[in-house]
Amino acid sequence: NAGVMQNPRHLVRRRGQEARLRCSPMKGHSHVYWYRQLPEEGLKFMVYLQKENIIDESGMPKERFSAEFPKEGPSILRIQQVVRGDSAAYFCASSPLGTAYNYEQYFGPGTRLTVT
Amino acid sequence: GQQLNQSPQSMFIQEGEDVSMNCTSSSIFNTWLWYKQDPGEGPVLLIALYKAGELTSNGRLTAQFGITRKDSFLNISASIPSDVGIYFCAGLPQEYGNKLVFGAGTILRVKS
Repeated sequence: NAGVMQNPRHLVRRRGQEARLRCSPMKGHSHVYWYRQLPEEGLKFMVYLQKENIIDESGMPKERFSAEFPKEGPSILRIQQVVRGDSAAYFCASSPLGTAYNYEQYFGPGTRLTVT
Repeated sequence: GQQLNQSPQSMFIQEGEDVSMNCTSSSIFNTWLWYKQDPGEGPVLLIALYKAGELTSNGRLTAQFGITRKDSFLNISASIPSDVGIYFCAGLPQEYGNKLVFGAGTILRVKS
């Protein structure tokens, strides 16, 4: 059973460009979470999605950031007009639907975004 | 927001020693999870705890859900070089149900 997949693993963007980060959850998981991690820091929650629904986006900046999890295909975290402060590692996690243990989140390898 | 205080921030230990780290909060948590993150990788789930007082082992790792539901600890016995990494606790607050809160991590370095 393949784990959570994220691509690209590394992404370099110039200031003002757009960054698109993709996440494919584990098979059978329909809950997806995005986190951001700065060097030497913990993980900060950004957004929680189920298929075609944003459940909680309280951790995501209101401007320039958006996320989706369509019926078909991966979840996408999109950052428009990137700035240097957006440089970080972005992790996606997934959890299974409808079990007592659906709070166990399984993480992907992350996308390291560098804005030059 | 909810805060988790994780300690120690970092530690150097001798190979073969036991290690202990913990997470505390002023709030009540319903679930505690412990993760390990290697450099350049995503966190890997080590142990999940769901009931106050629960003690769970995974190989040389043992974790407990504090009886007050405001803390958890992780022990690693007989540490080896591959235990190096960052260990994160994460908790699900009682107050709201779907958002894990993460501690800042404990950096473990082993002297071989």
